[in-house]
Amino acid sequence: DTAVSQTPKYLVTQMGNDKSIKCEQNLGHDTMYWYKQDSKKFLKIMFSYNNKELIINETVPNRFSPKSPDKAHLNLHINSLELGDSAVYFCASSQDSTLGIYFGEGSWLTVV
Amino acid sequence: AQSVTQLDSQVPVFEEAPVELRCNYSSSVSVYLFWYVQYPNQGLQLLLKYLSGSTLVKGINGFEAEFNKSQTSFHLRKPSVHISDTAEYFCAVSGVNAGGTSYGKLTFGQGTILTVHP
Repeated sequence: DTAVSQTPKYLVTQMGNDKSIKCEQNLGHDTMYWYKQDSKKFLKIMFSYNNKELIINETVPNRFSPKSPDKAHLNLHINSLELGDSAVYFCASSQDSTLGIYFGEGSWLTVV
Repeated sequence: AQSVTQLDSQVPVFEEAPVELRCNYSSSVSVYLFWYVQYPNQGLQLLLKYLSGSTLVKGINGFEAEFNKSQTSFHLRKPSVHISDTAEYFCAVSGVNAGGTSYGKLTFGQGTILTVHP
């Protein structure tokens, strides 16, 4: 069983569209994250939720809206997609970040 | 705030040779340190971590890393690499408050591509 699973794995869409990426973890963790990896492979945190509550919100355009219906799910909705949004988006979870943060396989988003 | 610098963007080595991937960090608070590995088109897998105690930590796949506080470094080493170690490696740091609780987010370096040649 995949510990942190995210869908879709690949997404190609046109500028201006709205899209969502879903994430689920079956590890029983309290904290979930979204990270963005750009074309230069640089990884940066976007959001973090703890028990459905937003605790980290880095400087991210408000076109990006995370939603956590329960502590096992953290979805990412992106409005009005732009070319610069093309990246790999990683969902992750942890029980205690000192124990390590576990990443999903990534969602490759390409905006054309 | 924390920052991480991985000093080599690419490291080519021959199979069975030793390898060291270098990582330096800066932080105004105490830190926890991590190394992750990313195989092509896959997510990140935790290799090892330093929280406290012994400065030499051992991880999976025969990797180890040494925390050096005075040099603010956390270099990753393996005495003998295999073809299957070809991947990108990321060093990451998490700030820690006075109570020893992580601030809950990782700051990553820009990655080092390790290529093992036969």
